[in-house]
Amino acid sequence: AQSVTQLDSQVPVFEEAPVELRCNYSSSVSVYLFWYVQYPNQGLQLLLKYLSGSTLVESINGFEAEFNKSQTSFHLRKPSVHISDTAEYFCAVSDRDNQAGTALIFGKGTTLSVSS
Amino acid sequence: DGGITQSPKYLFRKEGQNVTLSCEQNLNHDAMYWYRQDPGQGLRLIYYSQIVNDFQKGDIAEGYSVSREKKESFPLTVTSAQKNPTAFYLCASSALSGAGVQPQHFGDGTRLSIL
Repeated sequence: AQSVTQLDSQVPVFEEAPVELRCNYSSSVSVYLFWYVQYPNQGLQLLLKYLSGSTLVESINGFEAEFNKSQTSFHLRKPSVHISDTAEYFCAVSDRDNQAGTALIFGKGTTLSVSS
Repeated sequence: DGGITQSPKYLFRKEGQNVTLSCEQNLNHDAMYWYRQDPGQGLRLIYYSQIVNDFQKGDIAEGYSVSREKKESFPLTVTSAQKNPTAFYLCASSALSGAGVQPQHFGDGTRLSIL
């Protein structure tokens, strides 16, 4: 079965600094990868996804992630963070041979704290 | 707007009591899921369902039960057999398609506590 490792449980940064949240998954022939964001006492919101095609995917609010098959990684980056980016971020990978309707495997999350 | 509605937002359980968490979606999604979230643990799968009247156990199904009588509804019952039920419970849904795994859409969660 797949597994996901988010290498940092907490990442504190100053506003306007760049940030990278790291995600590695266990090896598989092919995977679908997702990043979700969770604000306090809310559900998860999809930030971006890699299903196929270009290995660099972008979100509408300036985040991007790059699928690296050789490194089995899907790190999330943003060149300049805002206070409003403070949240918990989850990396997720498809399981069970990528069958539609099967659940995702989630990492334990990374708390991004942006201060002024 | 389409989405997933979980209720109640907060729920308290007494010893020996069963409680039911509601999850309704109007996204016309076939697949629905229940996750449990504990601090520092990420999300763990309790049950999922791909079609009405059918569901599968996830990684931590013991002490929980579900039903799927309607496409749009997937209630979760936390039974008295679940000895550590205090957690944040998240319901999700996704489309089924021939293109493989689709993103999951989440409700806003129910926080369950023991009285």
